[in-house]
Amino acid sequence: NAGVTQTPKFQVLKTGQSMTLQCAQDMNHNSMYWYRQDPGMGLRLIYYSASEGTTDKGEVPNGYNVSRLNKREFSLRLESAAPSQTSVYFCASSDYGDYGYTFGSGTRLTVV
Amino acid sequence: GEDVEQSLFLSVREGDSSVINCTYTDSSSTYLYWYKQEPGAGLQLLTYIFSNMDMKQDQRLTVLLNKKDKHLSLRIADTQTGDSAIYFCAGSSGSARQLTFGSGTQLTVLP
Repeated sequence: NAGVTQTPKFQVLKTGQSMTLQCAQDMNHNSMYWYRQDPGMGLRLIYYSASEGTTDKGEVPNGYNVSRLNKREFSLRLESAAPSQTSVYFCASSDYGDYGYTFGSGTRLTVV
Repeated sequence: GEDVEQSLFLSVREGDSSVINCTYTDSSSTYLYWYKQEPGAGLQLLTYIFSNMDMKQDQRLTVLLNKKDKHLSLRIADTQTGDSAIYFCAGSSGSARQLTFGSGTQLTVLP
């Protein structure tokens, strides 16, 4: 099925460990985004990529890095995980955003 | 940047209409959106409205936009138990049409 695929779906990390969240889309979209969702705070933008080869910081980029590997793939890396990064992470893609995003099903990350 | 606000909770009886409200700050948003999130799932685009429109209807959904007051609403007619979910409004801004989301309204439909 066409859409946005995120891996893994669940992850538990110890404080200080690193990991990479993977995201891939097969809709030939130009723009891709990473959000985190915390209770009562909606979704907050971490990083985005307007087009292949570009990345920019969003509202809450500290503690994260991203790579737009190619048009399909956009990964999010936590270099040294902290308990404050416990959240649900969503990847999304769009064709320049005007007609809304397509979201992945999310990665539920717990940092202990 | 954009700031979007919503009330957190709404309860309605099955068969009644639901109205979810949202206010936003960035008048340059070209499109405004409503998303639905069911438990354990990602966000699903319900509908969107172009900023030069006042109203858009799509089956049981009606979106009203008051640009002067920067107020957006989503009306769900004949609300069903399957409509129980969190509803997010969002506005777009920036080079990549980054979306800014409200905190979400938890809609509970009572039988």
